[in-house]
Parts: sequence; structure tokens; C-alpha cells
Amino acid sequence: ETGVTQTPRHLVMGMTNKKSLKCEQHLGHNAMYWYKQSAKKPLELMFVYSLEERVENNSVPSRFSPECPNSSHLFLHLHTLQPEDSALYLCASSQDPRITSLELFFGEGSRLTVL
Amino acid sequence: AQSVAQPEDQVNVAEGNPLTVKCTYSVSGNPYLFWYVQYPNRGLQFLLKYITGDNLVKGSYGFEAEFNKSQTSFHLKKPSALVSDSALYFCAVSLEYSNYQLIWGAGTKLIIKP
Repeated sequence: ETGVTQTPRHLVMGMTNKKSLKCEQHLGHNAMYWYKQSAKKPLELMFVYSLEERVENNSVPSRFSPECPNSSHLFLHLHTLQPEDSALYLCASSQDPRITSLELFFGEGSRLTVL
Repeated sequence: AQSVAQPEDQVNVAEGNPLTVKCTYSVSGNPYLFWYVQYPNRGLQFLLKYITGDNLVKGSYGFEAEFNKSQTSFHLKKPSALVSDSALYFCAVSLEYSNYQLIWGAGTKLIIKP
């Protein structure tokens, strides 16, 4: 098993659909993150969970709803998205979010297309 | 505002030649500096970081980077490029008390031509 696994790798959905992205980390880390990656732009931090508690929500629209049932799993629930939400969604983990000298471990991403 | 700049959208290098991918930053406080690489259709992968100490940091796949405090730069280098180095490279900066906030550059596409 790779360190951080994301499913599905590709997702196409209409604006009225409801779907979820899943992330699982096998590294024993205490923090998990959702990032949005759009072409030629810096990564945008969406949500941070530390020990299953949400510690950061970077003004993300409510059509994105995260869930962290335990320290190994992270979900991003999607509802009534807009075409501009089409992007690569990356999950990452780290040992401790308060120690900012630690590197992040990323999954391979879920490519989302909203029609 | 705190920021990271990667001034080149794309860098083209011939195989076997040295490569440099540039990164400059503007932050208040002492920075921790990172380079990540993203191969096509993959997630980001950590390459190297500067925390403290020796300004020259060595990382994975023969890459190295030099922290220059006076020029607020952290350029990524490799003495001899490989075609397999072709990828998207991201520079990122965090601060000691910034609580998981990484400031990211927009990325530089590195193309190594055989």
C-alpha cells in the first residue's frame, strides 16, 4: 500500500450530483489535509484535520463538506458544484500539523470535472 | 502579504546539462523552505527542505537547493539533468509558528530534452 491513497482517481459529475472523494493514509500520521490544485496556480489549502478535529477551513464554499471519521480516513463530500470547481483535489498527511518543518505526504489526487 | 514566486512558468534544459529552477520568497520571520515535484498524473512528492544549518541542502534524485537569506531565494539545482526529471516543481514556505499554513509557488514546468 502506498502512503496516501485517494479514490476515485477521476470523477465527472453534473452540477446537481452528490459525490464523495475518499482519502486513506497508512503512515500513522495525525493530520490530514485537502488541497485544490488548478493549472498554473499555487495549491489552495481547503481543510485541515488534526486528530479528527477540523482545525482549518479556508473560506471554502459550503458545497464542499469534509468528514474525518478517524485519523486514517478523510472524505470530501461534493454537492451542487460549479464548473469552476473542476480541478485536481489532493489529499495530504503529516505527522503533526503544528510542526511546520515537517513535509507533507500527498496522494495521487482525484481529477474532478464538473459539467 | 507573504508570497512565494517562481518566476519561470517553464524551464527547458538539454539532457546532461545543469538545471536550475528558481524560487524567491517574501515572508516575515524565519522560513522553512521546501521543494516538491509532481510527475504527470501523480500527486506531489517531497524533494528536499531547508530548516536550519548548512545553506546547501541535498535531496532526492540528485537534487540540491541553496538557501540564500540575503536574496530570499531557494533555487533548486541539479548538475546533470535527466529526461526523467521532466515534471512540475513547486516551491513552498512555512513559518515556525504558522500552524500548518504553507505558502506555495505556482509551479515551474521543467522539460528535459534528449
